Amino acid sequence: DTAVSQTPKYLVTQMGNDKSIKCEQNLGHDTMYWYKQDSKKFLKIMFSYNNKELIINETVPNRFSPKSPDKAHLNLHINSLELGDSAVYFCASSQDVGGLAIRNEQFFGPGTRLTVL
Amino acid sequence: AQSVSQHNHHVILSEAASLELGCNYSYGGTVNLFWYVQYPGQHLQLLLKYFSGDPLVKGIKGFEAEFIKSKFSFNLRKPSVQWSDTAEYFCAVTFDYKLSFGAGTTVTVRA
Repeated sequence: DTAVSQTPKYLVTQMGNDKSIKCEQNLGHDTMYWYKQDSKKFLKIMFSYNNKELIINETVPNRFSPKSPDKAHLNLHINSLELGDSAVYFCASSQDVGGLAIRNEQFFGPGTRLTVL
Repeated sequence: AQSVSQHNHHVILSEAASLELGCNYSYGGTVNLFWYVQYPGQHLQLLLKYFSGDPLVKGIKGFEAEFIKSKFSFNLRKPSVQWSDTAEYFCAVTFDYKLSFGAGTTVTVRA
């Protein structure tokens, strides 16, 4: 059973398009995250949700909009895609214990490689 | 600003050699420290973590790390590597309730 799954695994699209990446976790975790890994493999947090509420919103263009329909899902929608959005996007989740989700191991999905042409 | 530095970009070594990967952070407050590994074609997995207590932490697959508070360091070690340890290794530190990653170190183990 896959703990954290993402779809699609690969996404190739044209500049200016709108696309979504979906993430689901079956671990019963309360907190979910989106990370961006650039071409130099540098991982950076984008967003974090706890029980469907946004708790971390880094300096990310507002073309990126996360949506959490329930605590098992955190989707990422990207409008007006640009060349610089090409990267691997990782979803992760962790258990929130007494408000200390950040102290707990984060379980990562397999990543979505986005290529903008 | 808080940051995480991994000194080695790419390490190449032979099987049975010892491995040490450096990780330093800049932050004066309380931190939680992690090492994650990403094997080729796989997702990130936790190797080990440190919150408090014994600064020498043992993780999976024979890895260990030592937290030296005075040096703001959390170096990863393995006494004898195997070909299967070929992977990308990431140090991560919590700052302000966010997990910040280093740039990663690519480790290539030659048989």
